[in-house]
Amino acid sequence: AQTVTQSQPEMSVQEAETVTLSCTYDTSENNYYLFWYKQPPSRQMILVIRQEAYKQQNATENRFSVNFQKAAKSFSLKISDSQLGDTAMYFCAFMIDYGGSQGNLIFGKGTKLSVKP
Amino acid sequence: NAGVMQNPRHLVRRRGQEARLRCSPMKGHSHVYWYRQLPEEGLKFMVYLQKENIIDESGMPKERFSAEFPKEGPSILRIQQVVRGDSAAYFCASSAARQGKSRNTIYFGEGSWLTVV
Repeated sequence: AQTVTQSQPEMSVQEAETVTLSCTYDTSENNYYLFWYKQPPSRQMILVIRQEAYKQQNATENRFSVNFQKAAKSFSLKISDSQLGDTAMYFCAFMIDYGGSQGNLIFGKGTKLSVKP
Repeated sequence: NAGVMQNPRHLVRRRGQEARLRCSPMKGHSHVYWYRQLPEEGLKFMVYLQKENIIDESGMPKERFSAEFPKEGPSILRIQQVVRGDSAAYFCASSAARQGKSRNTIYFGEGSWLTVV
C-alpha cells in the first residue's frame, strides 16, 4: 500500500523568507506522480506543483519549487519570498501512473503554514 | 473555461435524511473522483468514476453511500440516512484521460460542506 507522510503538522515563516515543507512517501511502484496542493482558509484545494517520477529535474512554479529525491522517496516543497497569501494547509499527494489509466490521489495529513508579517 | 463545479456548497440535513451532492467536471475531462475531508484531516479517496462506470470504489463506505456519473449530466454522490459522522467536506475532482500537460493531473472543485444535525 502507498502512504504519504508529512512530519510537520505546523510551521511558520516570516514574510519574504524561505520555508521548506517535508514529505516522504512509500511505494513499490516505479511510475508515479507527486503533487503539492494548497488549501487556504476558503478550503478550496489548489494545485501548487506537480512532479513526474521519471523526470530527474525538479519542478518549479514561480516561487514554488520541489526537491525530489526518488531513492530516498522524499518530495519537499520550498516556498521562496513567502507572502501572506501563502498561509494555508499544504498537502503532499501521490498517484500511481498505470500508463493508459491512472490511480487515485493519496494524501498526507497536511502541514499548516502560517506566514507572519 | 469553467473549473470543476460542485453544488450545493453547503447542505444541512437532519439525521435520517438523504444528501445529494453534484459535480460537473472540467470541460473535456472524463474522469471524476470524490474525496471526503473530515475536520482537521487530509482528504480521503472515496470513489473514481468514468462516464457510466465505477472504476474504483474502494474508499466508499459499504452502506448508505453511492455514486454515479451518467452519460448525460453531473456526477452525483448520494448519502442515504445520514448520521452525524457524515458531516464533512466532500470534494469532487476531475482529470483528463490521456494527452497533454494536464494528463494525470487532478483538479478539485470548491467542495460541498455537509452538516448533519
